[in-house]
Amino acid sequence: SYVLTQPPSVSVAPGKTARITCGGNNIGSKSVHWYQQKPGQAPVLVVYDDSDRPSGIPERFSGSNSGNTATLTISRVEAGDEADYYCQVWDSSSDHPGVFGGGTKLTVL
Amino acid sequence: QVQLVQSGAEVKKPGASVKVSCKASGYTFTSYGISWVRQAPGQGLEWMGWISAYNGNTNYAQKLQGRVTMTTDTSTSTAYMELRSLRSDDTAVYYCAREVGSGSVWFDPWGQGTLVTVSS
Repeated sequence: SYVLTQPPSVSVAPGKTARITCGGNNIGSKSVHWYQQKPGQAPVLVVYDDSDRPSGIPERFSGSNSGNTATLTISRVEAGDEADYYCQVWDSSSDHPGVFGGGTKLTVL
Repeated sequence: QVQLVQSGAEVKKPGASVKVSCKASGYTFTSYGISWVRQAPGQGLEWMGWISAYNGNTNYAQKLQGRVTMTTDTSTSTAYMELRSLRSDDTAVYYCAREVGSGSVWFDPWGQGTLVTVSS
């Protein structure tokens, strides 16, 4: 089945820009979705279809996808953005279509 | 608002079964599928499978084939996930999530999660 690779951790100072990557074979040909999960809470969708934001998600959250890497970018990082972030694709040609990356812990310094 | 509310925490012995419910509200239940995702303590998200609330079609992750059954009750807008022959490594928080999208699929919203503990 399709494999998504994320860095285990990313650290950023408040007010700076955080970039969380998600690697996969020719991932640019797929739609990538991103979730934020805070401790003890269910995941929340923050970006879908590579770069679209659900209502209620701040414009500080954006996404891009090309080649073998998709990226979630969080601008003007706040303390409240500290969380685990997961990328996800739907591999419809596979018998295991739901695929998540291993997750990235974002630490706000 | 769209909401998924799951049943409460469960403690089971190895070899037993567990059935988790997920009650949907705020949308037409039969217009969307439901996926189930689990998260072992301190670990990442693992997709378990999905069910069409429209016709009951299912697709289970291969590693769970034969142990998992997903069903829906359209009269109550509720989805169910049953896992049998429980082992200690099935200890996890189990989430249901509404499937959204056509060509690609994403999950929004998620239920609050149900902790299933398997212990002798």
